[in-house]
Amino acid sequence: KQEVTQIPAALSVPEGENLVLNCSFTDSAIYNLQWFRQDPGKGLTSLLLIQSSQREQTSGRLNASLDKSSGRSTLYIAASQPGDSATYLCAVILTGGGNKLTFGTGTQLKVEL
Amino acid sequence: GAGVSQSPRYKVAKRGQDVALRCDPISGHVSLFWYQQALGQGPEFLTYFQNEAQLDKSGLPSDRFFAERPEGSVSTLKIQRTQQEDSAVYLCASSVALYGYTFGSGTRLTVV
Repeated sequence: KQEVTQIPAALSVPEGENLVLNCSFTDSAIYNLQWFRQDPGKGLTSLLLIQSSQREQTSGRLNASLDKSSGRSTLYIAASQPGDSATYLCAVILTGGGNKLTFGTGTQLKVEL
Repeated sequence: GAGVSQSPRYKVAKRGQDVALRCDPISGHVSLFWYQQALGQGPEFLTYFQNEAQLDKSGLPSDRFFAERPEGSVSTLKIQRTQQEDSAVYLCASSVALYGYTFGSGTRLTVV
């Protein structure tokens, strides 16, 4: 069974810092990996999607990398801002596993002024 | 519509009561998913529809949980004889392919 783990569970940083969120998965036979953002009381917003054949994706201040062989992905946030405060979730879709997402438990990020 | 709409936003049910949660996906989205998110956890897959066909219901935790999408658009997740462990946020998502998921804001169910 695919297991997805995110470290750290919570993170508090001062505004302006660059930071890295980690995601690991046990089954490397993934179709793709996605990073989502969840604000309190709201649904999930897709941030970045990396296909299994790709190594990274970038959107603005966000960069996500994927290393399938080691079962790891990182989300890099540059020049963090208070508006980045949210819970960040990574999720994978297994090859041949239908198209259901298997989520990690998330990293709760707080960016302080 | 512009997004995935879920109703109600909040539901308080007495233990043993039946509840029905509604999801209105983006028009034209073939795929529809239900997830359950317990407090402090990531969402867990419940069930998946392609049009009106329920292709995967492996995540439904018990036979008290039932989902339908009779006309391939709106979906309803029904929980019979609710129990305290059913308290969670129930998220609905729709998509047109193996990416591009759009999630609704969820229904927070509290069983007392």
